[in-house]
Amino acid sequence: AQRVTQPEKLLSVFKGAPVELKCNYSYSGSPELFWYVQYSRQRLQLLLRHISRESIKGFTADLNKGETSFHLKKPFAQEEDSAMYYCALFSSNTGKLIFGQGTTLQVKP
Amino acid sequence: GAGVSQSPRYKVTKRGQDVALRCDPISGHVSLYWYRQALGQGPEFLTYFNYEAQQDKSGLPNDRFSAERPEGSISTLTIQRTEQRDSAMYRCASSLVERDTQYFGPGTRLTVL
Repeated sequence: AQRVTQPEKLLSVFKGAPVELKCNYSYSGSPELFWYVQYSRQRLQLLLRHISRESIKGFTADLNKGETSFHLKKPFAQEEDSAMYYCALFSSNTGKLIFGQGTTLQVKP
Repeated sequence: GAGVSQSPRYKVTKRGQDVALRCDPISGHVSLYWYRQALGQGPEFLTYFNYEAQQDKSGLPNDRFSAERPEGSISTLTIQRTEQRDSAMYRCASSLVERDTQYFGPGTRLTVL
């Protein structure tokens, strides 16, 4: 079965602390993974795509096929990082994105 | 440039009524996707189109739900005889080509009373 799991509904950290948002997936084949972010009252927007290997707003994510994970990391959280984060898996045989349940990141001052 | 737009942004309707939700993709985008998001959940796939052809409608929950994209641009998601369980955020996304990055609209919040 194709599935994305984000085990934490809420992650609360202080400004300047490291952040790791967990994402695990289940997929037979070569996975293509994304992180989307939704800031308050805004639309879902792409944060990272694993094949591009970019660092956006200080966030990085590495695909670990052995652990079937795609955790999102940032060394020093900022208050403006507070948002809802969704991990998503692209299902190449169906053309759809499969989303996790999302993790709310709360960065306290 | 203009992003994906959706209308209405909010829709409140009574149980049993039909509703039509509209999505206007980014100009030139071939693929258009519909997702539904219940409170506290991630978006769930409903259906998608390449140009005007509906490629996959496996996510539509039942035959009260239908979608069309007759000219390969604007798409309409129609829910007939709405029920309270249809209340959700309905999200539309488009991509330049299939398997490319999907860009989302602001969503339509549907409330069925």
